[in-house]
Amino acid sequence: GAGVSQTPSNKVTEKGKYVELRCDPISGHTALYWYRQSLGQGPEFLIYFQGTGAADDSGLPNDRFFAVRPEGSVSTLKIQRTERGDSAVYLCASSAQGAGTEAFFGQGTRLTVV
Amino acid sequence: GQQLNQSPQSMFIQEGEDVSMNCTSSSIFNTWLWYKQEPGEGPVLLIALYKAGELTSNGRLTAQFGITRKDSFLNISASIPSDVGIYFCAGRRPGANSKLTFGKGITLSVRP
Repeated sequence: GAGVSQTPSNKVTEKGKYVELRCDPISGHTALYWYRQSLGQGPEFLIYFQGTGAADDSGLPNDRFFAVRPEGSVSTLKIQRTERGDSAVYLCASSAQGAGTEAFFGQGTRLTVV
Repeated sequence: GQQLNQSPQSMFIQEGEDVSMNCTSSSIFNTWLWYKQEPGEGPVLLIALYKAGELTSNGRLTAQFGITRKDSFLNISASIPSDVGIYFCAGRRPGANSKLTFGKGITLSVRP
């Protein structure tokens, strides 16, 4: 597709379970970002990839959160031992390289931990 | 935590009216962006500003990058029902790689 694609759209999981959220960026975009948006809030930065490497993971809240981008395209956000407080919309965005090239967001994955 | 202040949380206007929203920060930003988000969708970029004092238009939207680099405003003229949504400001701090800091957003309602 032409835009950033995130799967699944919705995920309901039980507390303590492991989840994986997938992001397919726009073809050719080297930069990829994960943000988390809680109800009534703006998106909050989690991690930024340039190619295959995490250039900035300062937003990951704790070591239960991990993200990979092994081939520099698709990325997976992994959350271990989920807690109810992890419930939020997880947004992925991608951008081409270069100054003034802003990111395009996907529609997000709504994660609900029960 | 978030460092950009947007208020009020909600705004209600009549179709055809102009509306102005602003965004302030205690820190300097070197890029200001305005996004619109509709239910079930990700934020969509409306306007990007890269220089202090810059004034940029996109159709009925106009945004400015404040001279102090600590604020920005967005103006929507002649509002229409499809302007309904949540409007976020976002900024990029010097040396912050490419990550953005977002405000909490303003929910705009337009009465026909």
